Amino acid sequence: DADVTQTPRNRITKTGKRIMLECSQTKGHDRMYWYRQDPGLGLRLIYYSFDVKDINKGEISDGYSVSRQAQAKFSLSLESAIPNQTALYFCATSEEERGAHNEQFFGPGTRLTVL
Amino acid sequence: AQKITQTQPGMFVQEKEAVTLDCTYDTSDQSYGLFWYKQPSSGEMIFLIYQGSYDEQNATEGRYSLNFQKARKSANLVISASQLGDSAMYFCAMSPMDSSYKLIFGSGTRLLVRP
Repeated sequence: DADVTQTPRNRITKTGKRIMLECSQTKGHDRMYWYRQDPGLGLRLIYYSFDVKDINKGEISDGYSVSRQAQAKFSLSLESAIPNQTALYFCATSEEERGAHNEQFFGPGTRLTVL
Repeated sequence: AQKITQTQPGMFVQEKEAVTLDCTYDTSDQSYGLFWYKQPSSGEMIFLIYQGSYDEQNATEGRYSLNFQKARKSANLVISASQLGDSAMYFCAMSPMDSSYKLIFGSGTRLLVRP
């Protein structure tokens, strides 16, 4: 079984709809991240969390919210989806106290299309 | 501002030959980590190799090596004996020593291995 899972894997929705992307991990890591990938731009950080009570904004958090329901679960919500949120979304995890060697383990990605 | 630059949007290499993918970075931190990830057409992000800023030796992992030139702020990935399965997007990333432990990604290089 995969260590980091994301659901759904693909989703098509309409402008204005609320949508939630879910991430679960079995790696036992405290740190979890949500990234967005657009063509030609690499991955950009949306939100990150170091534990259930710790939520932090990344560089492109506008239009998104997150919930850390448990150590193993980190959800990303689009309250009112818009077409420019069409992208590939990745969840990632990493271990604590690794210093600069912050290797992150990625989920398989969720491809979201907003019409 | 911290930034990763990958100047090669696309590259070709003949099967069994070596190829170098360029990466330069910009940071004022003394301690940081550098990573390379592979993204095949299926979309997942696969960790390849890590180099710490204080590591004196260049990192190697099988056919992958990282040519780290700290003074030039470059961290080029060398793939030896290219295989058809190496065709993918390759992303260089940096982990700065700030409180987020996030990864900052470059825009990627698409590598195509020719038979």
